[in-house]
Amino acid sequence: EDQVTQSPEALRLQEGESSSLNCSYTVSGLRGLFWYRQDPGKGPEFLFTLYSAGEEKEKERLKATLTKKESFLHITAPKPEDSATYLCAVQGGSGNTGKLIFGQGTTLQVKP
Amino acid sequence: DTAVSQTPKYLVTQMGNDKSIKCEQNLGHDTMYWYKQDSKKFLKIMFSYNNKELIINETVPNRFSPKSPDKAHLNLHINSLELGDSAVYFCASSQGFPGPAHFGDGTRLSIL
Repeated sequence: EDQVTQSPEALRLQEGESSSLNCSYTVSGLRGLFWYRQDPGKGPEFLFTLYSAGEEKEKERLKATLTKKESFLHITAPKPEDSATYLCAVQGGSGNTGKLIFGQGTTLQVKP
Repeated sequence: DTAVSQTPKYLVTQMGNDKSIKCEQNLGHDTMYWYKQDSKKFLKIMFSYNNKELIINETVPNRFSPKSPDKAHLNLHINSLELGDSAVYFCASSQGFPGPAHFGDGTRLSIL
């Protein structure tokens, strides 16, 4: 069964303190791994897509990487506005449906 | 310009009532989805339509019935609401596979 596990569940950082969020996955034939950001009262906002092991994507202070078993979201010198819940999701090869399997998310709080 | 819009944003109703949620996307995507987010923030797919055809129907009670009048609209009707239906329901859309889904801001359903 396809499964996604994120760790830690919650992370508190001081402004400027870099860290990484982990997303471990089990999927039959990975077609894509996606990172989203979700602010309170809002829908998930798409950040990155990674398709194959070794791929990396960057956007401002965020960098996503992918291996055959996990993905990391690295946050460099975070700011308070980076506080949000970060969600990881995978698309597997079973049927061309676009179905996303989500992890439970990591809630990040960045203190000034 | 809102890409994926849902109405209503909040829905408070009593057990046993019937209610509908509407979704529209202006991205020109061919696939639309309904996801449910529970109190622990876990997102799980319910239904998916591709060009008005139902392609995903997860293990969801028959009380939930999606309808897609055209590929830009996907509605969700819920009969005989139960306390356990309280959650946030997100509409999303995507184009092609694999690829990311783009989400609306959700409908917060509370059953009294």
